[in-house]
Amino acid sequence: EAGVAQSPRYKIIEKRQSVAFWCNPISGHATLYWYQQILGQGPKLLIQFQNNGVVDDSQLPKDRFSAERLKGVDSTLKIQPAKLEDSAVYLCASSPTSGTGGLYGYTFGSGTRLTVV
Amino acid sequence: KNQVEQSPQSLIILEGKNCTLQCNYTVSPFSNLRWYKQDTGRGPVSLTIMTFSENTKSNGRYTATLDADTKQSSLHITASQLSDSASYICVVRASGTYKYIFGTGTRLKVLA
Repeated sequence: EAGVAQSPRYKIIEKRQSVAFWCNPISGHATLYWYQQILGQGPKLLIQFQNNGVVDDSQLPKDRFSAERLKGVDSTLKIQPAKLEDSAVYLCASSPTSGTGGLYGYTFGSGTRLTVV
Repeated sequence: KNQVEQSPQSLIILEGKNCTLQCNYTVSPFSNLRWYKQDTGRGPVSLTIMTFSENTKSNGRYTATLDADTKQSSLHITASQLSDSASYICVVRASGTYKYIFGTGTRLKVLA
């Protein structure tokens, strides 16, 4: 089975520019997560989707970050405008929501490393 | 408050030696605990997943233990290799949710 796909792998932008990340979860996974991982720290949940609805976006800086999952499959995360402190790895993960799939199916993508200069 | 704490924060060992990483959690009600290996610049990769009823689970040279009474877990790495150099993250999921609480990780460096 194909894993969680993310693109781009790397992105360098200047502060105040905009950037977008894309995630394609494992087929059939209803739950999709976006995490921000600053160097040396554990991942921090930004937003969690259940199909195309938002379950938790309490830690998403909504003044500059937005995310959508229009058809309940792919998702995009956007930052506009970017700040220096947004430099991090942005991880996408997906999971089924029931049965043993819910236990063993939680899978990460390789992440997008963002550098804001 | 649901929290996951890991120790040590970083560890340096010589190739071939064993080591043990610790994870303490306060997540309740508990569903499962996972250990992940994360190479620099990559996404975390699952090593083990343990539910409430499991005390020990192995994956090659990695052995995880879980004491649900004391809310502690450990990850033991046997005969370390240079490729074991990575961050190891403990993640706990609360029962009835699809939320995962992450520890800050232990950064392991294996030297030749």
